[in-house]
Amino acid sequence: NAGVTQTPKFQVLKTGQSMTLQCAQDMNHEYMSWYRQDPGMGLRLIHYSVGAGITDQGEVPNGYNVSRSTTEDFPLRLLSAAPSQTSVYFCASSVQGAAHYEQYFGPGTRLTVT
Amino acid sequence: AQSVTQLGSHVSVSEGALVLLRCNYSSSVPPYLFWYVQYPNQGLQLLLKYTTGATLVKGINGFEAEFKKSETSFHLTKPSAHMSDAAEYFCAVRYSSYKLIFGSGTRLLVRP
Repeated sequence: NAGVTQTPKFQVLKTGQSMTLQCAQDMNHEYMSWYRQDPGMGLRLIHYSVGAGITDQGEVPNGYNVSRSTTEDFPLRLLSAAPSQTSVYFCASSVQGAAHYEQYFGPGTRLTVT
Repeated sequence: AQSVTQLGSHVSVSEGALVLLRCNYSSSVPPYLFWYVQYPNQGLQLLLKYTTGATLVKGINGFEAEFKKSETSFHLTKPSAHMSDAAEYFCAVRYSSYKLIFGSGTRLLVRP
């Protein structure tokens, strides 16, 4: 099993550009989530999904969109990048809800917006 | 509202010394508590968790944590630090069935 994979590993964007961060898991997990990690702030939840076709907002959803058309994939879209979105982004999955079950994290995508 | 406070953004210990990383939480629901570890340039991985039952929880790599309701604490300990324990450690508390709130993290440095 590859576990949770994320692409790209690094990305530089200009302000106003859009892009999609890819996340895939091969563990047949129902729950998937996106976090951003900023120095001194820990991880903050952006969006999450409890199954194909079902998504909901986390703590910091503004400026990001998600969809979940399959169990395996959970892409994160930045519609119009801003410097405040410079961060490291992690995708995670678990059997079910994060509060009960271990989350498995991907290796992260480091995004810089200039 | 739920929140997590990790005291000390950096903790430095000598190899072989006791590791103590502090975590205090507030929660309006029965707390489920977690410790995750992040090695350099990697994602997080679960060290241990408390949901219900025994308040002393043992995790991987010799770490353990004790849930103390009266002190609203869930401190992480290891009797003897190893160089390979150098990493960043995050405490997290349940916010809802689907959400965790993470602390700001504590970077553990292990001196030879």
